[in-house]
Amino acid sequence: SAVISQKPSRDICQRGTSLTIQCQVDSQVTMMFWYRQQPGQSLTLIATANQGSEATYESGFVIDKFPISRPNLTFSTLTVSNMSPEDSSIYLCSVDLDRGDEKLFFGSGTQLSVL
Amino acid sequence: GESVGLHLPTLSVQEGDNSIINCAYSNSASDYFIWYKQESGKGPQFIIDIRSNMDKRQGQRVTVLLNKTVKHLSLQIAATQPGDSAVYFCAENIGYGQNFVFGPGTRLSVLP
Repeated sequence: SAVISQKPSRDICQRGTSLTIQCQVDSQVTMMFWYRQQPGQSLTLIATANQGSEATYESGFVIDKFPISRPNLTFSTLTVSNMSPEDSSIYLCSVDLDRGDEKLFFGSGTQLSVL
Repeated sequence: GESVGLHLPTLSVQEGDNSIINCAYSNSASDYFIWYKQESGKGPQFIIDIRSNMDKRQGQRVTVLLNKTVKHLSLQIAATQPGDSAVYFCAENIGYGQNFVFGPGTRLSVLP
């Protein structure tokens, strides 16, 4: 597998503010993904982030709310903008290790609480 | 036994018994499946995968069974241990690029 580090691991934020979550991988990967896991629920894909191109967002998620950067093959950020309590979730970074096997590996997640 | 909790179905098993966690997937065209284990405060951890050209795959203490006729996936854990307590998710790759759809999850509780 790979070491996938996310920062911060948790945060408590005020509504109306923004939080940027960082994801660092210990190897170069083409495809990185951001997922949301609402309390007690399953994982939902927010967007796919490939280096050198705009992120591709899933239905229900927009760039203005969840801007993503992918400056190189080992790093990505997800910003949760203008937060409301409904944004309280775990945000997870995941990667495909470019081995051709489609396996998806996850970071430890960022637990976000919005007051 | 199995019960539906507030958000997640829960399976309670005695330590040492075998566990069977079930998952109904949505798309008959899905060709790749993964089981993940998620412990509290952690990200999902890869357990085992299977492709649609197989109906069974075994790992260490785990077996995944795939029944494409009824779109059903199961994870069997042999000799369940306290460390197996977690939420288990199935994920299906619905076939175009990397696009996994995750099941609702099952909480496994191992009783001493």
